[in-house]
Amino acid sequence: KQEVTQIPAALSVPEGENLVLNCSFTDSAIYNLQWFRQDPGKGLTSLLLIQSSQREQTSGRLNASLDKSSGRSTLYIAASQPGDSATYLCAVRGGSYIPTFGRGTSLIVHP
Amino acid sequence: DGGITQSPKYLFRKEGQNVTLSCEQNLNHDAMYWYRQDPGQGLRLIYYSQIVNDFQKGDIAEGYSVSREKKESFPLTVTSAQKNPTAFYLCASLAEPLTGELFFGEGSRLTVL
Repeated sequence: KQEVTQIPAALSVPEGENLVLNCSFTDSAIYNLQWFRQDPGKGLTSLLLIQSSQREQTSGRLNASLDKSSGRSTLYIAASQPGDSATYLCAVRGGSYIPTFGRGTSLIVHP
Repeated sequence: DGGITQSPKYLFRKEGQNVTLSCEQNLNHDAMYWYRQDPGQGLRLIYYSQIVNDFQKGDIAEGYSVSREKKESFPLTVTSAQKNPTAFYLCASLAEPLTGELFFGEGSRLTVL
């Protein structure tokens, strides 16, 4: 059974820092990996989707990489801003329709 | 705009009552999901449906029921058999076989009084 772990569970940084959030998974036979952002009391917003054949995806200040062989993905946030404060979740999908979610990293960026 | 609409956003229920949460999507997706989110627990799958008129139990289906009579709609009923229904409920749909991207609604918060 796939297990997804996100480290750290919480992170508090000053504005302007470059950040790395980690997502590790136990079964490397994945179909895709997706990073989400969740603001308090809101739904999940898709940030980046990486297919199993890809190594990375970029959107603005966000960059996500995927290393299937080591069972890891990282979300890189450049020049963090207070508006980046949220919980970040990763979800891994294998051959089925059921994604497995990590518990998320709660990020606070203070001015 | 295409997306997933969940209603109501907030719902209060007395013990012993059944309530139904609505989930409607206009993304033309076949697969839809219901998740429950509790503080510190992450997302837990309640039910999912890969196609109209078919659905499967997830990890925590006890005390819940669903129907999938139309492609656009996947309502969730929280029955009186659910012992601890106070939670945040999220509906999602999957863009398969296109990109395999998962999309979520804004969620519904259910509180039992």
